[in-house]
Amino acid sequence: GEDVEQSLFLSVREGDSSVINCTYTDSSSTYLYWYKQEPGAGLQLLTYIFSNMDMKQDQRLTVLLNKKDKHLSLRIADTQTGDSAIYFCAELPGYSSASKIIFGSGTRLSIRP
Amino acid sequence: DAGVTQSPTHLIKTRGQQVTLRCSPKSGHDTVSWYQQALGQGPQFIFQYYEEEERQRGNFPDRFSGHQFPNYSSELNVNALLLGDSALYLCASSLVGSGGAGNEQFFGPGTRLTVL
Repeated sequence: GEDVEQSLFLSVREGDSSVINCTYTDSSSTYLYWYKQEPGAGLQLLTYIFSNMDMKQDQRLTVLLNKKDKHLSLRIADTQTGDSAIYFCAELPGYSSASKIIFGSGTRLSIRP
Repeated sequence: DAGVTQSPTHLIKTRGQQVTLRCSPKSGHDTVSWYQQALGQGPQFIFQYYEEEERQRGNFPDRFSGHQFPNYSSELNVNALLLGDSALYLCASSLVGSGGAGNEQFFGPGTRLTVL
């Protein structure tokens, strides 16, 4: 079946690293994504990883993929107040050239001073 | 480049009514997908339009229908509205064959629909 699961809340201190975890179920997923949603705004694609990779780094963001366990994580280094948002893990199942994206329920990241 | 635009921003309807939401894709994009995001949930795929045809559909009843126009813009129609249809409706556009992040979908800001 199609299901993406992630924890609902995460609170970190400003300047610390944030790690958001996610599990997915479709082993045929080709791309895995992290989206950011700020209040009143649409979804912004933060980063993505192709299924044949196990790590991707993009400035403060590091994505780790464990395909065997179907586990994806997003690490945000030096977390800032502007990182407060809801983060969605998502997968692109199968090998369609343009297909539906399956989203998790989102992790709300809050930053404490 | 205006990105993906949606109208209206907010809408209030009553049960049993019909609603039409509109989406203009990012310039150069040819594919439009619609998602429903209930409060506190992640977006759920409704359907996708390409070349003016519905190409893929999620688990939504026939009350949800859509259309894509020759200029690639799209409408989402919902008939016989239920209270449970209250949600943020997101439109995303992409370009078939663009490669990259699986034909990256760019999202609009959404239309907030409230059904009373």
